Amino acid sequence: GAVVSQHPSRVICKSGTSVKIECRSLDFQATTMFWYRQFPKQSLMLMATSNEGSKATYEQGVEKDKFLINHASLTLSTLTVTSAHPEDSSFYICSARRDNDYGYTFGSGTRLTVV
Amino acid sequence: RKEVEQDPGPFNVPEGATVAFNCTYSNSASQSFFWYRQDCRKEPKLLMSVYSSGNEDGRFTAQLNRASQYISLLIRDSKLSDSATYLCVVNVDSSASKIIFGSGTRLSIRP
Repeated sequence: GAVVSQHPSRVICKSGTSVKIECRSLDFQATTMFWYRQFPKQSLMLMATSNEGSKATYEQGVEKDKFLINHASLTLSTLTVTSAHPEDSSFYICSARRDNDYGYTFGSGTRLTVV
Repeated sequence: RKEVEQDPGPFNVPEGATVAFNCTYSNSASQSFFWYRQDCRKEPKLLMSVYSSGNEDGRFTAQLNRASQYISLLIRDSKLSDSATYLCVVNVDSSASKIIFGSGTRLSIRP
């Protein structure tokens, strides 16, 4: 149990366009999901905490208007990178926490390349 | 001071060796601790949780020292397949709703 599906796994987009990344919990309901970003040879950095039915909580230094998060249901959270620039190229990973359980499961990640 | 700190390595050890990593955390209220493993260009995967009394899973042993605020991971009889980056993960609030990753320790096992 506790499977998280993330899509797409890889995307290349032009500078100035927007990209949507989906994170789904397949066999459990996730009231909370987390979005991370990882640059090469660096650790995962928490970007924001996504809460079902309410606004996301963003970490310091993360632009909420650039990284739009929507958690409209208990099984789906989306991250939209708006007006993408080459410096947004990174590995984006979501994770979800099963209720009443401290375990965290990760999606397989999305490698975004902005050209 | 970083919330979670690890020695980045790399640790380069021969197959069969025993290797240990430490990780320190700054928030004394932290409740949950984990070791994750991340292979190159892949998502992190849970290796083991770390319990107060220490715990063992096969060749892997995890310890928690609350007084000194560090956790450790010991790998015995290392295998080539153990080569990866090991991430120390700590929850940073009392509700255990948010976790922070250390920068990772790179381990390379040579034949």
